[in-house]
Amino acid sequence: DAKTTQPTSMDCAEGRAANLPCNHSTISGNEYVYWYRQIHSQGPQYIIHGLKNNETNEMASLIITEDRKSSTLILPHATLRDTAVYYCIDKNTGNQFYFGTGTSLTVIP
Amino acid sequence: SQTIHQWPATLVQPVGSPLSLECTVEGTSNPNLYWYRQAAGRGLQLLFYSVGIGQISSEVPQNLSASRPQDRQFILSSKKLLLSDSGFYLCAWSVKGPSGAFFGQGTRLTVV
Repeated sequence: DAKTTQPTSMDCAEGRAANLPCNHSTISGNEYVYWYRQIHSQGPQYIIHGLKNNETNEMASLIITEDRKSSTLILPHATLRDTAVYYCIDKNTGNQFYFGTGTSLTVIP
Repeated sequence: SQTIHQWPATLVQPVGSPLSLECTVEGTSNPNLYWYRQAAGRGLQLLFYSVGIGQISSEVPQNLSASRPQDRQFILSSKKLLLSDSGFYLCAWSVKGPSGAFFGQGTRLTVV
């Protein structure tokens, strides 16, 4: 079962940064945090993952708090195509990815 | 580069009929493979995962089964479909260790 909590929905103005929070207060030392997004009627798309250091790639930045109990996914300049459901997952070295209900992000023109 | 193929994209089947959905991965070896289901308006439910040929772990009891006859082939099956089997079925793969999982485009199954 998913062990993360996220807000159900968020809005963001086009061109502004979208900051999506995730609480993973029960995360253990060897568990990574993963972020995915799912655009309607498509398969989920991997965005980024991290253990304890902040991470950045071409899609987004991931900020993990020092105690690792929460993280924030940052889309620096949101576009209309970023409208999707965003999932935060914590996963140990095992094989299972458990998805919660995610955050439905709407980018507003 | 790695690619994942999943077919068909849509499927309408009568209740009681059998099901076979196939997923293949290219460009990697010995991947972890996954089957997920997403009911309308709901989140993704992990159904099965496999760490190697013939090794299948089931996450929930259900009317479905999975098989992995080859390293990069993962098959989802049912002998007799139920109405409740309708949903969006997604196959995914990952390498061993702390990496993300990559999803296919899914099969939308409607049981009538």
